[in-house]
Amino acid sequence: DTGVSQDPRHKITKRGQNVTFRCDPISEHNRLYWYRQTLGQGPEFLTYFQNEAQLEKSRLLSDRFSAERPKGSFSTLEIQRTEQGDSAMYLCASQASDQPQHFGDGTRLSIL
Amino acid sequence: GNSVTQMEGPVTLSEEAFLTINCTYTATGYPSLFWYVQYPGEGLQLLLKATKADDKGSNKGFEATYRKETTSFHLEKGSVQVSDSAVYFCALGPHSGSARQLTFGSGTQLTVLP
Repeated sequence: DTGVSQDPRHKITKRGQNVTFRCDPISEHNRLYWYRQTLGQGPEFLTYFQNEAQLEKSRLLSDRFSAERPKGSFSTLEIQRTEQGDSAMYLCASQASDQPQHFGDGTRLSIL
Repeated sequence: GNSVTQMEGPVTLSEEAFLTINCTYTATGYPSLFWYVQYPGEGLQLLLKATKADDKGSNKGFEATYRKETTSFHLEKGSVQVSDSAVYFCALGPHSGSARQLTFGSGTQLTVLP
């Protein structure tokens, strides 16, 4: 069990640019979640995959956001035309049946 | 919908003091309840959980009891250490094993002074 891995740990970009984050879940965890955490708040759910299928999306996930999990293993979260309000920590979690969710260390996004 | 209300921080204690962080929830059905801890610059780590009423979760000296009658899951530790300084999040999830998102409280910052 090597844990949930997220890359990069930090991303600084200019407003209007596109960014992509990667999450590698714990192997054999079929469920994968993305959350967003702003300063001083708890994580908020963005989207969820079971294997390669995206089964649920939050209203927080505007049309500038897209997530994929093409082979049911790693996942990517892309934000197009970034805005100041996108600055946050983006957390990935994975889960096996009957187990709690395990979180990665997150990707901190800063929009200049 | 589901919601979690946590005691507001920050909380500052001296080493070996008793800790209580209050957490109450609103949910339909029979949720599972969790406490997660977040150290600076890191993701969330599961501290303890309880999956049904009257269950007590415990880990590293921390305890919390699932109280359905008061819809609460308060976190306690009898003697805190400097290394316990972190942000603590109470969270609510679906019944055990289900594939649904967690709902988090806003977190409580704990600082323990030597």
